[in-house]
Amino acid sequence: DAGVIQSPRHEVTEMGQEVTLRCKPISGHDYLFWYRQTMMRGLELLIYFNNNVPIDDSGMPEDRFSAKMPNASFSTLKIQPSEPRDSAVYFCATRPSYTDTQYFGPGTRLTVL
Amino acid sequence: EDQVTQSPEALRLQEGESSSLNCSYTVSGLRGLFWYRQDPGKGPEFLFTLYSAGEEKEKERLKATLTKKESFLHITAPKPEDSATYLCAVPTLSAGGTSYGKLTFGQGTILTVHP
Repeated sequence: DAGVIQSPRHEVTEMGQEVTLRCKPISGHDYLFWYRQTMMRGLELLIYFNNNVPIDDSGMPEDRFSAKMPNASFSTLKIQPSEPRDSAVYFCATRPSYTDTQYFGPGTRLTVL
Repeated sequence: EDQVTQSPEALRLQEGESSSLNCSYTVSGLRGLFWYRQDPGKGPEFLFTLYSAGEEKEKERLKATLTKKESFLHITAPKPEDSATYLCAVPTLSAGGTSYGKLTFGQGTILTVHP
C-alpha cells in the first residue's frame, strides 16, 4: 500500500493567493482528517470526514479555509485568500472505521510570503 | 474539556541513558491512549495503543505503560536513531458530542540522544 499521499509537498505563495492542498487516502479508509502543525500550537485538527461527509469542522480557523471530499479517493483543503499566519505544515491522516488509529501522510509545508 | 499534556517539552540524553516521557490526560471516558513518533519533515508514525490501566506494550527499546491518569513512554538504553518528537493522543468527542471520531494530541516531547 502506498500510504496516504499528499501534494504538493512544498508550497510557497504570496499573501492573497489561493492555495489548494490535496490528499489521497489509503484505500478502504473511510475517515479522513486534516491537521495543521506549528511550533506554537502543535498539531491541531481542522476538520474530519466520514464516508466523504464532513463531521466536525470546529477546528477550521475562519471562512478563508474550506475542505471538500468529492469521493472516497480524494480530498482538498483550500485557503482563499492566504495570509502569512497560515504558514505551517498541513497533514492529512486517514483510518478505517474499526480502529481509532490514524495513519498520516508526509505533509505539505506551506509558506505564505 | 478533554486535555492531553506531555512533559518534558524537550529531553536530551546520552546514548545508553534510560529515561521516561510522560503523558497526562483528562478525558470523560478513556477509549485508548496512542503514542506516535514524528521525525523531522515527516508525518507522525503510529507506535502503540493502550486501552486499560496496567497495560504495557513494547517495541525494541520503547515500552509504554498506562495508569488511570497518565501514560509513560520508557526508553531503555537509547540510541541516536531514537531521536524524534514523541506525541501522545486520546480519542475525544466531536463537536456536537455524538461520536469519538477524532484524536486530541499533546504538544509532544522532543527527544535528542547524543552519541
